[in-house]
Amino acid sequence: DAKTTQPNSMESNEEEPVHLPCNHSTISGTDYIHWYRQLPSQGPEYVIHGLTSNVNNRMASLAIAEDRKSSTLILHRATLRDAAVYYCILSPSGSARQLTFGSGTQLTVLP
Amino acid sequence: DTGVSQDPRHKITKRGQNVTFRCDPISEHNRLYWYRQTLGQGPEFLTYFQNEAQLEKSRLLSDRFSAERPKGSFSTLEIQRTEQGDSAMYLCASSTTGYSTDTQYFGPGTRLTVL
Repeated sequence: DAKTTQPNSMESNEEEPVHLPCNHSTISGTDYIHWYRQLPSQGPEYVIHGLTSNVNNRMASLAIAEDRKSSTLILHRATLRDAAVYYCILSPSGSARQLTFGSGTQLTVLP
Repeated sequence: DTGVSQDPRHKITKRGQNVTFRCDPISEHNRLYWYRQTLGQGPEFLTYFQNEAQLEKSRLLSDRFSAERPKGSFSTLEIQRTEQGDSAMYLCASSTTGYSTDTQYFGPGTRLTVL
């Protein structure tokens, strides 16, 4: 499976935008980029996914580099409830696939 | 949509005892996954069902572990002769076919402590 690299931790101030980076230089053409987050004492929660184009949903935006070797999860206005571990995961298209979680980025939101 | 549910949420047991966990997926989801998460680590895949068929098992799933999904709905994960190293959060996730990629929806997990 292609590997992703994320910073171990990041901090943000409340109500400011947060850009969480992910490097995936060995991504293949059929790999989707998924982001999940895990709040304390909860199971992981799906955030967003994309293949080539930038994506937006009610939770976040996903910006994908043109060469697809990196991506950025954007939280437009961080709240205290966004404090979580954020995981960037590559998942091949076309069939069911186990998710391979790395260690993720621990996001701390400061009031 | 009531989400994925897991029962119990917490289980404390003594070494050597057997434990069983239950997962109820989102009702229309035909795929079901089990993961294990130890402190400070991301979840690790254990096994996967499509309907009632167990299609993939991780090397992490030793002989003491068994999972079933008898009617393609809920699933159980049993650990026999528990060891202290089995202490972890056990997570269940479900998803559905028909899409180009497999977005998984996770339950709250069952936290197992083996004394």
